[in-house]
Amino acid sequence: GDSVTQTEGLVTVTEGLPVMLNCTYQTAYSDVAFFWYVQYLNEAPKLLLRSSTDNKRTEHQGFHATLHKSSSSFHLQKSSVQLSDSALYYCALSDLGATGGNNKLTFGQGTVLSVIP
Amino acid sequence: DAAVTQKPRYLIKMKGQEAEMKCIPEKGHTAVFWYQQKQSKELKFLIYFQNQQPLDQIDMVKERFSAVCPSSSLCSLGIRTCEAEDSALYLCSSSWGGAAEQFFGPGTRLTVL
Repeated sequence: GDSVTQTEGLVTVTEGLPVMLNCTYQTAYSDVAFFWYVQYLNEAPKLLLRSSTDNKRTEHQGFHATLHKSSSSFHLQKSSVQLSDSALYYCALSDLGATGGNNKLTFGQGTVLSVIP
Repeated sequence: DAAVTQKPRYLIKMKGQEAEMKCIPEKGHTAVFWYQQKQSKELKFLIYFQNQQPLDQIDMVKERFSAVCPSSSLCSLGIRTCEAEDSALYLCSSSWGGAAEQFFGPGTRLTVL
């Protein structure tokens, strides 16, 4: 089945510096969408980024990610983090051609981003 | 912002008891998903409804859970006999279906003692 791997459980970055959260995946499907969700403490996960196009950069709220099918990766980056970026970040994928329209999300383990002053 | 509602927010049960949690999907959404989030673990898919019909679920749900969407505006997830391993945050999400974005509720945190 599908799998998503986020190798870092915790990433600590000083405010103003860049950050990259790693995400790699395995899937047997060809029509797949990739997502980054952000979950703030005691809140619901919210969609941050989405992409299904190879080698196309997607941006939102200062974050960006590029899907690279050649390396099965969809890393999340930001050039200058803020204290308010501290949260739990999930990478996920969805099979867009699933039977019955079941576009369930397969999530990675999540990475906690901690931004320090 | 989309508003998926979940109740209760917190639920405490003894081992062996029954548990029930509810989800009110975003109005108009036809797809409803349930996920389980354990401490420091990934969100795990549990069950998928399309137009109130369960179309996919994992084996654990088939064996020990009960899930229904009696109307387009209410779904519920139940555990027939709670076990300690069921302690988790249960998240409901809804979407327009197909490849549309899923919107998540705040979750029900279940603790089984």
